[in-house]
Amino acid sequence: GQSLEQPSEVTAVEGAIVQINCTYQTSGFYGLSWYQQHDGGAPTFLSYNGLDGLEETGRFSSFLSRSDSYGYLLLQELQMKDSASYFCAVTDYGQNFVFGPGTRLSVLP
Amino acid sequence: DSGVTQTPKHLITATGQRVTLRCSPRSGDLSVYWYQQSLDQGLQFLIQYYNGEERAKGNILERFSAQQFPDLHSELNLSSLELGDSALYFCASSVEQGAANEQFFGPGTRLTVL
Repeated sequence: GQSLEQPSEVTAVEGAIVQINCTYQTSGFYGLSWYQQHDGGAPTFLSYNGLDGLEETGRFSSFLSRSDSYGYLLLQELQMKDSASYFCAVTDYGQNFVFGPGTRLSVLP
Repeated sequence: DSGVTQTPKHLITATGQRVTLRCSPRSGDLSVYWYQQSLDQGLQFLIQYYNGEERAKGNILERFSAQQFPDLHSELNLSSLELGDSALYFCASSVEQGAANEQFFGPGTRLTVL
């Protein structure tokens, strides 16, 4: 089977940098995705890593280490609007998606 | 607004009943995905279609079925409903299939089974 672990909650202040880790156990790993979901809203795709290394998109970066079965989402220059839940998701070669339990990020003024 | 539409927004029904959820993807998107989100199960991938054909199957129960029509809209059929099927059901679409393609999510259908 497949399983993912993420911290349940993270708190940081405006302007800070926060890292949300994701470790996974899976067979046939293909890639790791990250999604943001505000309360009452739909998920929003943030990034995808298919290869080891860092992918940067504006204030958000995502990292993958396939050998360590580990990835993280890095959020820089935190803003109040970044308060949301963040999900990592593993895709296997069958294009099946398995989501982590989610990390609730609270950004304080 | 992602450009993905889902109807209905809310649905209340009784156990044992059957419902159909509808999704219209963004213009030009060929792939449609269905997800279920509940408090105890989290976000779960159900099924994916690409240009009318089933391409990936996740944790979709046998009581559930889906299809994608020639006009690319998709329907998720849930039958013999149980209390545990109460959840938010999201549809997403992307231009192509494959996890690297950005998925755009619809607003969801909230299903309540009484």
